[in-house]
Amino acid sequence: GENVEQHPSTLSVQEGDSAVIKCTYSDSASNYFPWYKQELGKGPQLIIDIRSNVGEKKDQRIAVTLNKTAKHFSLHITETQPEDSAVYFCAAARSGNQFYFGTGTSLTVIP
Amino acid sequence: KAGVTQTPRYLIKTRGQQVTLSCSPISGHRSVSWYQQTPGQGLQFLFEYFSETQRNKGNFPGRFSGRQFSNSRSEMNVSTLELGDSALYLCASTSGPLTGNEQFFGPGTRLTVL
Repeated sequence: GENVEQHPSTLSVQEGDSAVIKCTYSDSASNYFPWYKQELGKGPQLIIDIRSNVGEKKDQRIAVTLNKTAKHFSLHITETQPEDSAVYFCAAARSGNQFYFGTGTSLTVIP
Repeated sequence: KAGVTQTPRYLIKTRGQQVTLSCSPISGHRSVSWYQQTPGQGLQFLFEYFSETQRNKGNFPGRFSGRQFSNSRSEMNVSTLELGDSALYLCASTSGPLTGNEQFFGPGTRLTVL
């Protein structure tokens, strides 16, 4: 089955700086890569996603890049704010709605 | 539109007991997936139901089972509970059967096994 690795597990940045989280996947058939933000006491919430026919996608301060050849994708958050502090998960899916998740990155934005 | 709801939110059981968790997807969504979230293992896929049929199953023992009703509501059952079953159980609903549809997660049910 698919194996998704995520790094780093924890990340601290100063407010206003950028944060980058990286994931690799093993199954070349995976074709959908969402990113989720999970705040304390809540379920994960989709913040951005990318499909295998696209190399980059941006939504305001958040961007995701995908390198299919290397089987890795990254989340970039620019101009970080304290409310960006949360746990972020990457995921990969190849068919249906069976998603494989990374182990999460705890992001802390220091005011 | 109301979001995904899960009941109960918190549950305490003892080893050997069984438990049933419930999930109501977003209105109109026909796919429901279940995940187990633990600090050590992260989010692990349990199973997915679409139109009352189990389409995909993760690598969990047979003690974990589920079903989906005609109104798309889903239940998962864990029998003969073990201490290691303590986790946050998340339900997610999706509008369609194909990859690439947004998954909406519920708040989860926190299960503690003593």
